[in-house]
Amino acid sequence: AQSVAQPEDQVNVAEGNPLTVKCTYSVSGNPYLFWYVQYPNRGLQFLLKYITGDNLVKGSYGFEAEFNKSQTSFHLKKPSALVSDSALYFCAVRDHGQNFVFGPGTRLSVLP
Amino acid sequence: GAGVSQSPSNKVTEKGKDVELRCDPISGHTALYWYRQRLGQGLEFLIYFQGNSAPDKSGLPSDRFSAERTGESVSTLTIQRTQQEDSAVYLCASSLDLYNEQFFGPGTRLTVL
Repeated sequence: AQSVAQPEDQVNVAEGNPLTVKCTYSVSGNPYLFWYVQYPNRGLQFLLKYITGDNLVKGSYGFEAEFNKSQTSFHLKKPSALVSDSALYFCAVRDHGQNFVFGPGTRLSVLP
Repeated sequence: GAGVSQSPSNKVTEKGKDVELRCDPISGHTALYWYRQRLGQGLEFLIYFQGNSAPDKSGLPSDRFSAERTGESVSTLTIQRTQQEDSAVYLCASSLDLYNEQFFGPGTRLTVL
């Protein structure tokens, strides 16, 4: 069965600094990988996905993620964090089967 | 509408009562998912529907929970004999198919007194 780990419950970063939110996965076969963001008191929003192709995927709001097959990772990155990026971030994975699994979430705080 | 809608947005009920939550997916989306999110926690998968296939009910926590979907349209999640531990936000999402990104509704906040 597939699984997703987000090893950090909380990530703090200063505004203007680069940010990384980590995600590792376990899945049989080639994975479909997703990142979602949940702003306070709002629903989840899709950020980006990796299905196939280039390992570096660009998404909404200046975010990008790099698929690393050897390390089974899909870390979310942004070159320069904004205070408005503060939110809860979820990594998700599905394989070619039927299940879609979300990670436990990482709370990102960007400090002014 | 352009997005996934859910109703009601908030529901307060007494322990032991039945509740019905509704989800209207994006038109044309064949896959529909229900999740539960307890306060400060991640998403707990409940059930999904894909076209006319039998739904995957593997995430339903007990037989008090059930869900139906009419074709590729509206879905209802029913919780019978509600318990206080059922209090959570129930999220619905839809996607073009099982392999594309999911679009989430705003959720229904259920409070069981």
